[in-house]
Amino acid sequence: DVKVTQSSRYLVKRTGEKVFLECVQDMDHENMFWYRQDPGLGLRLIYFSYDVKMKEKGDIPEGYSVSREKKERFSLILESASTNQTSMYLCASSEIYEQYFGPGTRLTVT
Amino acid sequence: QKEVEQDPGPLSVPEGAIVSLNCTYSNSAFQYFMWYRQYSRKGPELLMYTYSSGNKEDGRFTAQVDKSSKYISLFIRDSQPSDSATYLCATAPGSGTYKYIFGTGTRLKVLA
Repeated sequence: DVKVTQSSRYLVKRTGEKVFLECVQDMDHENMFWYRQDPGLGLRLIYFSYDVKMKEKGDIPEGYSVSREKKERFSLILESASTNQTSMYLCASSEIYEQYFGPGTRLTVT
Repeated sequence: QKEVEQDPGPLSVPEGAIVSLNCTYSNSAFQYFMWYRQYSRKGPELLMYTYSSGNKEDGRFTAQVDKSSKYISLFIRDSQPSDSATYLCATAPGSGTYKYIFGTGTRLKVLA
């Protein structure tokens, strides 16, 4: 079974803090993704990576950056957290087309 | 117009009913079609995926793609209260990108 894990299930941060969200997959997948999910807006792609040290912007990259130093790990960084970044953050990995998701991190920025 | 449209529901059905969940999409280049189930406060779980047109069956679940009408469906037979969740459809082009387009999800409630 594919396993995608995320470092925290729930996180509360203050405005202006730098926030790190970690994702690890154990299936040697090439591709990894970060999404945010908000009611009524569905899943929106923030960034994805198709190889170590490679990344591409998704639909809403502003205010975020990513890091992929090892194949199994993909990190999302909120450089200066703002209240409009309060959301559910989902990491996914895939070899070809089927994406497998982690359990999500519910981030609240106060 | 959104690239993938999905009725948000909620859809309430009695236990044992056949459930039909549907999405429409606008881009004829889409070749891969997926259905995900998402329980409250959890990540989406891949249920089924199909390539191009046709049907695919897995237990009580059947996924159907009609490329001529750009319509994708998920049927759940003998629905159970444990099927209560939000169901997301997703599509991807055939090649060159791994960027998925997701529907916003349909919330299903199966009443015991």
